[in-house]
Amino acid sequence: NAGVMQNPRHLVRRRGQEARLRCSPVKGHSHVYWYRQLPEEGLKFMVYLQKENIIDESGMPKERFSAEFPKEGPSILRIQQVVRGDSAAYFCASSRDIVSGDTEAFFGQGTRLTVV
Amino acid sequence: DAKTTQPPSMDCAEGRAANLPCNHSTISGNEYVYWYRQIHSQGPQYIIHGLKNNETNEMASLIITEDRKSSTLILPHATLRDTAVYYCIVRVAHYTGANSKLTFGKGITLSVRP
Repeated sequence: NAGVMQNPRHLVRRRGQEARLRCSPVKGHSHVYWYRQLPEEGLKFMVYLQKENIIDESGMPKERFSAEFPKEGPSILRIQQVVRGDSAAYFCASSRDIVSGDTEAFFGQGTRLTVV
Repeated sequence: DAKTTQPPSMDCAEGRAANLPCNHSTISGNEYVYWYRQIHSQGPQYIIHGLKNNETNEMASLIITEDRKSSTLILPHATLRDTAVYYCIVRVAHYTGANSKLTFGKGITLSVRP
């Protein structure tokens, strides 16, 4: 998967706690995408970020979820006051600067969040 | 919403070629066809993409019909490790913000049997 690093790989949180998921894109990539996969379901787009900017957050729940991709450091997906329904695998993907469409996005191995 | 249609599942024998079809009858002239796969619960893996010409790499070949309304991903010699869900995705060639995201459908589950 060409170097997209996600951590932690597994995260257990109690209801009401906060979950912070980190994604370090491939070196040189400035575009990051977050996806969520509920058990036995498909991949659902959540948010697309470029450095310091949110480009598309059409898939993000309106409450409790936020994402950032600062100038320095990894992208962070933050879930406040987690509920059992947040239990899922969260995947991050990155791609390089887009001049044309001829570029692929590479995915990390995901963070599996379990809310107990 | 996914703009592609794939059968839900197929199987093939180990060592044989696996031909995975995809319909994208509403594809626009500026949209690429991408294929990804997801093995068990791992992160999706990029396989190949193309615009209108056939493409080949070390993993697979992509055959796109002349009218671009359908394509076939070919795994020339399937192995047990190729058992996965394969996603066919169309994506615009020139990104304008929101258009750059990959939209996954249900994909096709390929089962490679010994």
